[in-house]
Amino acid sequence: AQKITQTQPGMFVQEKEAVTLDCTYDTSDPSYGLFWYKQPSSGEMIFLIYQGSYDQQNATEGRYSLNFQKARKSANLVISASQLGDSAMYFCAMREDNYGQNFVFGPGTRLSVLP
Amino acid sequence: DAGITQSPRYKITETGRQVTLMCHQTWSHSYMFWYRQDLGHGLRLIYYSAAADITDKGEVPDGYVVSRSKTENFPLTLESATRSQTSVYFCASTSGILSYEQYFGPGTRLTVT
Repeated sequence: AQKITQTQPGMFVQEKEAVTLDCTYDTSDPSYGLFWYKQPSSGEMIFLIYQGSYDQQNATEGRYSLNFQKARKSANLVISASQLGDSAMYFCAMREDNYGQNFVFGPGTRLSVLP
Repeated sequence: DAGITQSPRYKITETGRQVTLMCHQTWSHSYMFWYRQDLGHGLRLIYYSAAADITDKGEVPDGYVVSRSKTENFPLTLESATRSQTSVYFCASTSGILSYEQYFGPGTRLTVT
């Protein structure tokens, strides 16, 4: 079964608007971490934000925030005030504490920011 | 330089040849990983290592061999390259702490002709 699902292969957003990228996950491990990475066209993987399963508050990092709904097993990334440089692939990933230290990645969402 | 490096960055090889991709990190991270990235599949784990001399298979290990004699190095070998192994390969490392993200190398683009 797919552990990380990203149902939006591609998204468009107007510059300066907010956008939400969806991520749902599947795990039976009570202790896990959720991560978002950005991959621009240059190819490098850039860490954006982290949310722990026991964290009470949603994570925020600058213009990035993570809408964590534990009961629904969703961890959506919200980018506020989109910029042209936000155009990239975005990957959701999960790390399960009790099932090894490897990360599982979703298939990604390609975000295009329109001027 | 500190960080995680991969070599070569680009490689073209022929079917049936052996090729080794190198990965080196300077943080003394316990965990290291090899992924391949193909269109439509995101990143898929090939092998990972929890420490020197400890390795384990990931989702797509067939056709690959790894070793880790030193903490800082984690080479990936394709014993007999096939066209289906044409891909971008990423090495990554992390500490054993749950909240720590993986740090990725710049990737190696491998083409098997």
